[in-house]
Amino acid sequence: EVQLVESGGGLIQPGGSLRLSCAASGFTVSGDYMGWVRQALGKGLEWVSVIYSGGGTYYADSVKGRFTISRDASKNTLDLQMNSLRADDTAVYYCARVSVTRVYYIDVWGGGTTVTVSS
Amino acid sequence: DIQMTQSPSSLSASVGDRVTLTCRAGQSVSTYLNWYQQKPGKAPKLLIYGVSTLQSGVPSRFRGSGSGTDFTLTISSLQPEDFATYYCQQSLSTPLTFGGGTKVEIK
Repeated sequence: EVQLVESGGGLIQPGGSLRLSCAASGFTVSGDYMGWVRQALGKGLEWVSVIYSGGGTYYADSVKGRFTISRDASKNTLDLQMNSLRADDTAVYYCARVSVTRVYYIDVWGGGTTVTVSS
Repeated sequence: DIQMTQSPSSLSASVGDRVTLTCRAGQSVSTYLNWYQQKPGKAPKLLIYGVSTLQSGVPSRFRGSGSGTDFTLTISSLQPEDFATYYCQQSLSTPLTFGGGTKVEIK
């Protein structure tokens, strides 16, 4: 079964760091277009970061220079290193796989992990 | 980034109603438009991709249409399990931006 399971969320003080991890099963993360989408409470969906199948990356302006996306082929995980966290980073973070066929769409979502940045 | 705007932001409807949700792109996205359904506390779920292709298992009461900048999602006869928030997403260019969502509530 194709599945994504996130971990690593929690309560962190402003300025702190967290590392989110997304464990994939049923497919290999290293060959796929993967990313992190976040959703603040009561708000919409926002792409945080993407890593393309070729290794290129995208970061939302709001996280550029603070977050780093990476893949670990040995563990088959997608990771998100989050530094200098701010209150407005508080959200549920979803790991997502983008199906790359004739039309791109997110075909697999994780269940989400909650990040709360507060003192 | 391509901006996506959904309207209305919320609506109230009754079981059995026909409901139409609208999504507008800031520039033409051709037919690269997807729809997702999200229920409280759950991850979004793909409903429709490429404007009108239903994801496997999605009931035929869901219908997508449009092209260019204007798109609609129609639910022909609203069922209790359809009360949720719906998001459109363009897939013409990365990042695959989302609209702000339309929440469908019970009247």
